[in-house]
Amino acid sequence: NAGVMQNPRHLVRRRGQEARLRCSPMKGHSHVYWYRQLPEEGLKFMVYLQKENIIDESGMPKERFSAEFPKEGPSILRIQQVVRGDSAAYFCASSPPGLSGYEQYFGPGTRLTVT
Amino acid sequence: RKEVEQDPGPFNVPEGATVAFNCTYSNSASQSFFWYRQDCRKEPKLLMSVYSSGNEDGRFTAQLNRASQYISLLIRDSKLSDSATYLCAVTPASGGSYIPTFGRGTSLIVHP
Repeated sequence: NAGVMQNPRHLVRRRGQEARLRCSPMKGHSHVYWYRQLPEEGLKFMVYLQKENIIDESGMPKERFSAEFPKEGPSILRIQQVVRGDSAAYFCASSPPGLSGYEQYFGPGTRLTVT
Repeated sequence: RKEVEQDPGPFNVPEGATVAFNCTYSNSASQSFFWYRQDCRKEPKLLMSVYSSGNEDGRFTAQLNRASQYISLLIRDSKLSDSATYLCAVTPASGGSYIPTFGRGTSLIVHP
């Protein structure tokens, strides 16, 4: 049973470019969460999605950031016009239906570096 | 007061020692509690859930104190491989989306 998968594991973008981060939840999981983690800081919640629905995006900046979880395919976190402050580790977590937010399983993360 | 607080440490202990961490939370209506372990530059991994009655998994014991609003993690007979950052997560009882709030983590270093 494959765990949560994220790709790419490392992403380098120049300021102003777009970054696309992908997350495939564990098999059978229908809830996806995106978090950002800066060095020496905790996990900051960004957005919570179910298939084709954004449930809670209260932690996601209103500008430049968007997320989706289509009926088919992985969840995508998209950052437009990246800035140096976007450099961080972005983790995706999934949880099974009916247990939203109770037990989360994390992917290996995508480390975004903006140059 | 922060929603979830942890002493960042580091806790520096010798192999074989017993060490305990606390995690305090501010929302008295919080419902679910977890401990995660995060190794350097890796993802958090679920270590254990914390139940009202407390729970034990091998050398690890987790407890919940609702009156004082904290959870604890006790590690007995520490191993070198226990060196990591331990994150607590607290989920509210209501609000719809059940988003957990994570503490910043407590760093543990076990030395020979």
